[in-house]
Amino acid sequence: DSGVTQTPKHLITATGQRVTLRCSPRSGDLSVYWYQQSLDQGLQFLIQYYNGEERAKGNILERFSAQQFPDLHSELNLSSLELGDSALYFCASSVDWTAPSTDTQYFGPGTRLTVL
Amino acid sequence: LAKTTQPISMDSYEGQEVNITCSHNNIATNDYITWYQQFPSQGPRFIIQGYKTKVTNEVASLFIPADRKSSTLSLPRVSLSDTAVYYCLVGGGAGGGNKLTFGTGTQLKVEL
Repeated sequence: DSGVTQTPKHLITATGQRVTLRCSPRSGDLSVYWYQQSLDQGLQFLIQYYNGEERAKGNILERFSAQQFPDLHSELNLSSLELGDSALYFCASSVDWTAPSTDTQYFGPGTRLTVL
Repeated sequence: LAKTTQPISMDSYEGQEVNITCSHNNIATNDYITWYQQFPSQGPRFIIQGYKTKVTNEVASLFIPADRKSSTLSLPRVSLSDTAVYYCLVGGGAGGGNKLTFGTGTQLKVEL
């Protein structure tokens, strides 16, 4: 158990809909990362937040957005869903991003999103 | 973004040493290299991290040559439970590349 929690574990929805994935980081971690894992694209970095502020952006679509709240939990919002958005979405957390000892990422169990 | 490639799969037997390579030709000066292990339907689990030369911990060693364009994860005396997918991750680190790039992943299969 990494200490990172993600809800829900599974999510089934229809094309065109909007969903919200939730992540709670490990106690004491200030940085949260979101990743998408699919069979054809592998593990793709989406976005990183640090202490409530966006720090880095990867291959995140404009239909997707995220935020980190004052209590440090994070939400990933996916809208206008398409069949190709079906994937595993992982959240990871780290203490911060400034040094090897503190930027090690610990991953949650993931949310499996199925778009029908 | 750093492009990272790995062999798709490797086979080994229990008790052998396994070396998995990752190629990252476009690594940035301040990027670190981290390796993760992933079992089916689970999140990646941290194995080891390094910047250059050699790093060793209780489960693995990481070799990074001077040009840093590749890295090698070494697993000593593997067991059946080491059957998993192994990923390298390039990026991060203080002031380093904040674009995190995972490798393509290597499926390691360990047999008796």
